[in-house]
Amino acid sequence: ETGVTQTPRHLVMGMTNKKSLKCEQHLGHNAMYWYKQSAKKPLELMFVYNFKEQTENNSVPSRFSPECPNSSHLFLHLHTLQPEDSALYLCASSEQREHSYNEQFFGPGTRLTVL
Amino acid sequence: LAKTTQPISMDSYEGQEVNITCSHNNIATNDYITWYQQFPSQGPRFIIQGYKTKVTNEVASLFIPADRKSSTLSLPRVSLSDTAVYYCLVGGGWRSNFGNEKLTFGTGTRLTIIP
Repeated sequence: ETGVTQTPRHLVMGMTNKKSLKCEQHLGHNAMYWYKQSAKKPLELMFVYNFKEQTENNSVPSRFSPECPNSSHLFLHLHTLQPEDSALYLCASSEQREHSYNEQFFGPGTRLTVL
Repeated sequence: LAKTTQPISMDSYEGQEVNITCSHNNIATNDYITWYQQFPSQGPRFIIQGYKTKVTNEVASLFIPADRKSSTLSLPRVSLSDTAVYYCLVGGGWRSNFGNEKLTFGTGTRLTIIP
């Protein structure tokens, strides 16, 4: 148990569906992240939020839309996805302090399958 | 971003010491070196982090030579539960302006412990 929870753990959706992934961190951190992990590929950073402000969008297609209503919650809204978007989506959080390393704590991930 | 290179896979017997080396030739001055461990269907978990010389904690040691162009994760007396993928990351330093240096995960080293 890392203090970062994700729901749902598994999701199957069609290409025309709209769904949302939810992440919640109970660690009091001020930064949250979305990563994508496809089979046999490295983890890809998608979005970074610091103090609820998005500071990183790593050229992610607009069919993925993040939302960070407060520093404890992060959502990833999905619409019109493609089969190649099937992957494990991981959320992480960290406490960002100046001049120090910011260890990231990961959730268990949501296994997404797009049919 | 500094790129890392690690072996794709390694096998070791239970009870032995395992050393996984990572190359990062273009590491920047303010980059940290961090190792994460990932079990199947789970998010990565922080193991150890260092900047130079040697760092040791309750689970591993990290050796970093003076030029910092490589690093070695050492796992003492491995057990079957150490079977996982191990990622070497370079970066994570705090910039003077707002925003954290993003971390780049490589393909990792798949470590298999043999009984």
